[in-house]
Amino acid sequence: DAGITQSPRHKVTETGTPVTLRCHQTENHRYMYWYRQDPGHGLRLIHYSYGVKDTDKGEVSDGYSVSRSKTEDFLLTLESATSSQTSVYFCAISEGGRGRNTEAFFGQGTRLTVV
Amino acid sequence: GEDVEQSLFLSVREGDSSVINCTYTDSSSTYLYWYKQEPGAGLQLLTYIFSNMDMKQDQRLTVLLNKKDKHLSLRIADTQTGDSAIYFCAESPVSSNTGKLIFGQGTTLQVKP
Repeated sequence: DAGITQSPRHKVTETGTPVTLRCHQTENHRYMYWYRQDPGHGLRLIHYSYGVKDTDKGEVSDGYSVSRSKTEDFLLTLESATSSQTSVYFCAISEGGRGRNTEAFFGQGTRLTVV
Repeated sequence: GEDVEQSLFLSVREGDSSVINCTYTDSSSTYLYWYKQEPGAGLQLLTYIFSNMDMKQDQRLTVLLNKKDKHLSLRIADTQTGDSAIYFCAESPVSSNTGKLIFGQGTTLQVKP
């Protein structure tokens, strides 16, 4: 299994509070991604990173921010959690941006509940 | 735009073949992937195919690609109860250099003994 660790694995938080999810990799892959998984939607990209301090938005980025200060760590922050952000969050990594290297490896997921 | 569609549910008997279908819309050359998700787990890459291929076989798995119709299928031969999971089709458009994946909604495969 690819070395990807997400923390925490489960979290319950109150509406309006800030939440940070962490993704840690030991593969030294350049690209890192945050997806959210919701019934009927599959997985949707929130943000991604193509290097240290290089990040960009995905299709559902509103209400989320990310940071990548080291190759191995990619943080996802919900500045003020809302109930619509209740979801399962997956981190993924890949070696490159094009072609075969877009094969992505996924973490185990973080189940976030906003009450 | 980019969109990937899958049927949501498939039920088969153990030993039968399963066929999971997927359609995609991106017209650029692309890699197409099949991922498997077991309950409470992350996604595991099963197989992939490049859009200049028609078919790829890997043990019990056969991927068929109809590029004209933008239709992809995953056939699992001799389906076992351990194959029960959610299967996601995903595309990675070559036009995008982000490596992002566009996922279908996922097909839940139920295998009855």
